[in-house]
Parts: sequence; C-alpha cells; structure tokens
Amino acid sequence: ETGVTQSPTHLIKTRGQQVTLRCSSQSGHNTVSWYQQALGQGPQFIFQYYREEENGRGNFPPRFSGLQFPNYSSELNVNALELDDSALYLCASSSSGPDTDTQYFGPGTRLTVL
Amino acid sequence: AQSVTQPDIHITVSEGASLELRCNYSYGATPYLFWYVQSPGQGLQLLLKYFSGDTLVQGIKGFEAEFKRSQSSFNLRKPSVHWSDAAEYFCAVDGDSNYQLIWGAGTKLIIKP
Repeated sequence: ETGVTQSPTHLIKTRGQQVTLRCSSQSGHNTVSWYQQALGQGPQFIFQYYREEENGRGNFPPRFSGLQFPNYSSELNVNALELDDSALYLCASSSSGPDTDTQYFGPGTRLTVL
Repeated sequence: AQSVTQPDIHITVSEGASLELRCNYSYGATPYLFWYVQSPGQGLQLLLKYFSGDTLVQGIKGFEAEFKRSQSSFNLRKPSVHWSDAAEYFCAVDGDSNYQLIWGAGTKLIIKP
C-alpha cells in the first residue's frame, strides 16, 4: 500500500474522444510524475508537476496535458485519443528529490481506445 | 541520450535457485539507478536504489544489486528465489536527479516449481 490512488481503474474510449485520469498522492507529496506503459514495455515518462507547475516533459505531444492541485491530487488529460494511446497510465509521487525520498507509484489506470 | 537495456525479455528459474537480472545503461555520468517490481494488477514497487557510495546495494525481499561503473551495469540478484517472486522487473535510471525516470523494457521472471 503506497498511499497513491488512481481512478478509474479501467476505462474504454473511442478514437477522437477526450479522457481525464486522476491521481491522489500522499499528503505532503508535492511532486507527481505521470508515465505511460504500453503492453509489454517499460513505462515512458510523460511529464512531471512540482508545486502545481509543469517541471519537465517527455516526448509526448501537447494533447497530453496535466494539472496538479493544492490538495495533492492531479489529473492527466488526453485529447483527440488515438489507438496508440491504449496503455496503463501510472502516476508517482514524492515529497522531494530522489536522494532524500522514494517515489511511490499508484496501481494505474488501464485505458483502452477503440 | 539516456537509455536502459534489459537484454532478457523472459527468464525462467527453478524455485530455490539463484537469480541474476541484467541491466545496462547509457549515460555520460553516473545516474541514480533503480530496480522496481511489477506484479499483475499491481503498481510498481521499489526494490532498491543506488545513488552513491557502496556499489553493492541491499533491497527488500532479499534482493541486492551491484553497480559496476566500468560496465555501465546494475544487475539485480537474489540467492534463492521463491514462487512469489514471479513478476516483471524493471530497471530505471535518473540522470538528472529529478525523478524523471528512463526505464528498461522489463524482464519477466517465471518460476518453475
């Protein structure tokens, strides 16, 4: 039990739709990172938020966007869904840098795009 | 660019046997290094991490890993595996100390009874 929760657990959308995935971090964790994990692959870094500001972005298009809220929750929004967006989406939170803390992962949201 | 290679997609080991999972990374300096385990339907759990100092790192569940700078490797080991160790194992690096991890493709560990 990491204290990081994600909702929903599973989601089915059709191509072109928009989706919002949610993550609730541990209290006091001001850094949240989102990852996409396609079937049979390792996670890929999407972006990171620190104190409600984007703090780094991987190789993902602008239709992937995020928000972080003061209550330690965050959202990942994906517009104009494509079939290749089907994946497990993971959020991870930490309270400070990796040399002083551990990054905790949620169980993920499985997104299927038809 | 940073990259992580886990050369073994699957590894099958008999219960009670020793285990070594390989991880090689590409990065100019010494990054922070991690091993995570992912069981079906569960999130990623940190097994161990290396930042600096002693190159042999002890983790949870009886796992250890050794950092070898000359080989750019961070291999995971366990002296005696249990059936409950069956899972997928991921090596990851953080070159910029900001938790924006670069991951390997994973190694699926299968345990033979």
